Amino acid sequence: DSGVTQTPKHLITATGQRVTLRCSPRSGDLSVYWYQQSLDQGLQFLIQYYNGEERAKGNILERFSAQQFPDLHSELNLSSLELGDSALYFCASSVGLQGNTIYFGEGSWLTVV
Amino acid sequence: GENVEQHPSTLSVQEGDSAVIKCTYSDSASNYFPWYKQELGKGPQLIIDIRSNVGEKKDQRIAVTLNKTAKHFSLHITETQPEDSAVYFCASLLYSGGGADGLTFGKGTHLIIQP
Repeated sequence: DSGVTQTPKHLITATGQRVTLRCSPRSGDLSVYWYQQSLDQGLQFLIQYYNGEERAKGNILERFSAQQFPDLHSELNLSSLELGDSALYFCASSVGLQGNTIYFGEGSWLTVV
Repeated sequence: GENVEQHPSTLSVQEGDSAVIKCTYSDSASNYFPWYKQELGKGPQLIIDIRSNVGEKKDQRIAVTLNKTAKHFSLHITETQPEDSAVYFCASLLYSGGGADGLTFGKGTHLIIQP
């Protein structure tokens, strides 16, 4: 168990809908990362937050957004969902910004039908 | 941006033999290289990592080597066991004064340990 908690584990929703994925980082970790894993694209970095502020952006679509709250938990919001958004979404966390090990949660499996 | 190539995509070895997975990266400024193991239905689990100021690191049956000149790093697993069967991912990251972007992952290697 990495200590990173993600909910829900599984989610099925229709095209055009909006969903929110939630992440609690390991105790003491200030950085939160979101990754998407799909068969065709592999594991791709979406976005990083550090202590409530956005620090880095990867291949995140404009329909997706995230935030990190004062208690350090994070949410990834996916809107106007398309079939191609079906994927595993991972949250990861680390203590700080530099030189720290990044730990992954078990993922949220999103199926868009 | 950074690109990480990983080979082979599938590797089948006899139990007890060694397994080697290789990765190359494109950004010479990258300075952190972790390896993750992912089992079916689970998240990636860090198994070993190496930083650019080190050429080799070992942890029991697992070792990683880094050749900065060639921009190449490898994972070595000795005395393989059935529980080593999984998908292994290499990754790279550039840490700088301002922090770092996310990890860039290879496509993964499906390691199969034959009994």
